Amino acid sequence: DTGVSQNPRHKITKRGQNVTFRCDPISEHNRLYWYRQTLGQGPEFLTYFQNEAQLEKSRLLSDRFSAERPKGSFSTLEIQRTEQGDSAMYLCASSDDSQPQHFGDGTRLSIL
Amino acid sequence: AQSVAQPEDQVNVAEGNPLTVKCTYSVSGNPYLFWYVQYPNRGLQFLLKYITGDNLVKGSYGFEAEFNKSQTSFHLKKPSALVSDSALYFCAVRDFITNAGKSTFGDGTTLTVKP
Repeated sequence: DTGVSQNPRHKITKRGQNVTFRCDPISEHNRLYWYRQTLGQGPEFLTYFQNEAQLEKSRLLSDRFSAERPKGSFSTLEIQRTEQGDSAMYLCASSDDSQPQHFGDGTRLSIL
Repeated sequence: AQSVAQPEDQVNVAEGNPLTVKCTYSVSGNPYLFWYVQYPNRGLQFLLKYITGDNLVKGSYGFEAEFNKSQTSFHLKKPSALVSDSALYFCAVRDFITNAGKSTFGDGTTLTVKP
């Protein structure tokens, strides 16, 4: 069990730029989740996949956000035309069906 | 809809004393409840879960939690706190049947254990 891996760990970008984050889940896990966490708050659900199918998207996920899991393995989260309010920690988690989620260490996004 | 409340932003205890971190939840169906711990600049680590069965569940690092259906609570407990338990703790809920994917987290409670 190598754990959930997220890259990069930190991303600093200028407002208006596009960014892409990658998540590699635990290999045998069929579910993959994305959350956003801001200071002083718990993780907020963004979206989740079962294998390659995106089954649920939060209303938090505006049109500027898109997530993919093309082969049911790794996933990418892209944010287009970044805004100041996008600054947060983006967490990825994976699980085997309804078992507890295993989290990566997150990607911290800072918008200048 | 589902929600979690952690009424205390901060809990302070002395090393060796028992600790309790409170959590109440709201869910339309059967609750699937979790506790996670987060250390600075790290992701969340799973501590314990409740689905069905005994109301007292035991988890990692000597932690346990008590499920109370009538009070819709799932408080985290440990009989004897360690300084190393100091961290940010999150309670989470999922509707076990209807909401298979989405977990809702509380805003966290910072536990500080003083020597």
